[in-house]
Amino acid sequence: EPEVTQTPSHQVTQMGQEVILRCVPISNHLYFYWYRQILGQKVEFLVSFYNNEISEKSEIFDDQFSVERPDGSNFTLKIRSTKLEDSAMYFCASRTYGTPQPQHFGDGTRLSIL
Amino acid sequence: ILNVEQSPQSLHVQEGDSTNFTCSFPSSNFYALHWYRWETAKSPEALFVMTLNGDEKKKGRISATLNTKEGYSYLYIKGSQPEDSATYLCAFAHGGATNKLIFGTGTLLAVQP
Repeated sequence: EPEVTQTPSHQVTQMGQEVILRCVPISNHLYFYWYRQILGQKVEFLVSFYNNEISEKSEIFDDQFSVERPDGSNFTLKIRSTKLEDSAMYFCASRTYGTPQPQHFGDGTRLSIL
Repeated sequence: ILNVEQSPQSLHVQEGDSTNFTCSFPSSNFYALHWYRWETAKSPEALFVMTLNGDEKKKGRISATLNTKEGYSYLYIKGSQPEDSATYLCAFAHGGATNKLIFGTGTLLAVQP
């Protein structure tokens, strides 16, 4: 069964450094999402992406964050200048067209900011 | 602020017990309610997507019901097995183009053999 893949599984970065989290969504999916879970808290929505542009973003998704689909297969989340509070598990999800459809999640990237 | 609540936070049952959890969500501007099963170190696995008031869905020993008027959904597991041990997440999607999901805190189920 096709699945969403995320790399790396764990990223350790110094505060202030840039980090790029990568995702390969399921190939025929059209809608893409990033969520994150800070330890002990709920999974929270960051951004949705459709037709090569952001369709919605949360208050968390400030100017330090950006998303890109550079080559039609990868979907990346960039954090320009990481803060300690960016430490979390980041999940990519995708879904196909039509409603309602489940979102399919990757295994996540654990981001640790030192 | 849209809030999704799940109860209980955790549940320990014996193999063979049947169990159920609750998800409560805003009843206004409802679009869909998702249930996911999430094992440690794996990705959340979609169980059900429910949209209609009174809807009932079943997958093996797991079933779910939906009440959109009062804003709750129940997930039932009949005859729990150790492999059912996981966190069960519900997520609310309200009307809108993106269908972003708003998650509850999850119910952690531990089934003892």
